[in-house]
Amino acid sequence: DGGITQSPKYLFRKEGQNVTLSCEQNLNHDAMYWYRQDPGQGLRLIYYSQIVNDFQKGDIAEGYSVSREKKESFPLTVTSAQKNPKSLYLCASSQPHRASNEKLFFGSGTQLSVL
Amino acid sequence: GENVEQHPSTLSVQEGDSAVIKCTYSDSASNYFPWYKQELGKRPQLIIDIRSNVGEKKDQRIAVTLNKTAKHFSLHITETQPEDSAVYFCAVSDSWGKLQFGAGTQVVVTP
Repeated sequence: DGGITQSPKYLFRKEGQNVTLSCEQNLNHDAMYWYRQDPGQGLRLIYYSQIVNDFQKGDIAEGYSVSREKKESFPLTVTSAQKNPKSLYLCASSQPHRASNEKLFFGSGTQLSVL
Repeated sequence: GENVEQHPSTLSVQEGDSAVIKCTYSDSASNYFPWYKQELGKRPQLIIDIRSNVGEKKDQRIAVTLNKTAKHFSLHITETQPEDSAVYFCAVSDSWGKLQFGAGTQVVVTP
């Protein structure tokens, strides 16, 4: 399973606690993304970054923050404002070609639960 | 923004039969339509995609058809096998180049 590594696989946080999910890629991709997967709702975009030191909010950015200081790393912080009790967080990367979209490569995910 | 609807939410088929999943979208400017397969406990993986200048694309037992006028596209799996059991997601690129995913279809292939 090379390419994109997410850690940890399972994470528990207490109410009021912030936690950070790690995502590292060795594919030399410029673009990275964070999605949240909930049953019956597909994959919803939290944040994305198309280049180092730049990132944009997705559809459900409230309660989350990100940074992109290095090309290979795109950590996601889940703040205490995020009330979802349990979700799977998927990191992905792609190498955009001109103005077209290309294949997303996904990590194996982090399952986050609130105690 | 882009709105992607996927149907059905669950699909049970007999081994050897065909399965069809349909997605509709709202933004006529969308030009890229991939399909991802997620097996239980695993990460989503791209299985086929189509661009707006093509009406149909086939790869062995899977095919995707696109109707830009009606703004819908479909995934067709023929001669289904147990390993086809998974959740399938359609996606559409929005006007900003980001992918919007459908809610997913749970496909169960019964022997």
